[in-house]
Amino acid sequence: GQQLNQSPQSMFIQEGEDVSMNCTSSSIFNTWLWYKQDPGEGPVLLIALYKAGELTSNGRLTAQFGITRKDSFLNISASIPSDVGIYFCAGTFGNEKLTFGTGTRLTIIP
Amino acid sequence: DGGITQSPKYLFRKEGQNVTLSCEQNLNHDAMYWYRQDPGQGLRLIYYSQIVNDFQKGDIAEGYSVSREKKESFPLTVTSAQKNPTAFYLCASSRTVVGASNQPQHFGDGTRLSIL
Repeated sequence: GQQLNQSPQSMFIQEGEDVSMNCTSSSIFNTWLWYKQDPGEGPVLLIALYKAGELTSNGRLTAQFGITRKDSFLNISASIPSDVGIYFCAGTFGNEKLTFGTGTRLTIIP
Repeated sequence: DGGITQSPKYLFRKEGQNVTLSCEQNLNHDAMYWYRQDPGQGLRLIYYSQIVNDFQKGDIAEGYSVSREKKESFPLTVTSAQKNPTAFYLCASSRTVVGASNQPQHFGDGTRLSIL
């Protein structure tokens, strides 16, 4: 099946810093989704991308659908304490089921 | 408010016992899913259903069973055959399952299952 490599696995940053994380696939996707999961809760959809090259923002979050259709990036600008959590990418192609990355755990150092 | 409700929040299972996790949605979505999440890992698909009275095995279906008698409900039973059931279980739904275009999955808040 398809595999998603998400990096980095964890990040330790100071409040106010910008954050970048990415996902790469072994095959092309036609949809990329980014979710955030808070401890003990279900993932919440942040951004959905449906076209190669698409750049979409949601407040301080910006995600891009890579031109090769095999990768996607999520950037968070000027991080704040409530950004702490696990960020998951997910993607699919055609009629295939959604595949999830292994997550990036974001920790903000006071 | 529309959404997905999972219950209970925490569940404890004795050895050899079957337990059932509840998932209800009022989003009028056709497709529903069950995922398992282990610490530090991503989500693995257990079962999914595209429509009432139909369901398909996911990647790790062994030791689990489901039913889909109503559109809004998709309960998951963790049977005694599942030898390592301790995990966080997440239910999700989407308008349809064929491709994810414009139809991302929405998740409940999960059930944490532990073995006594």
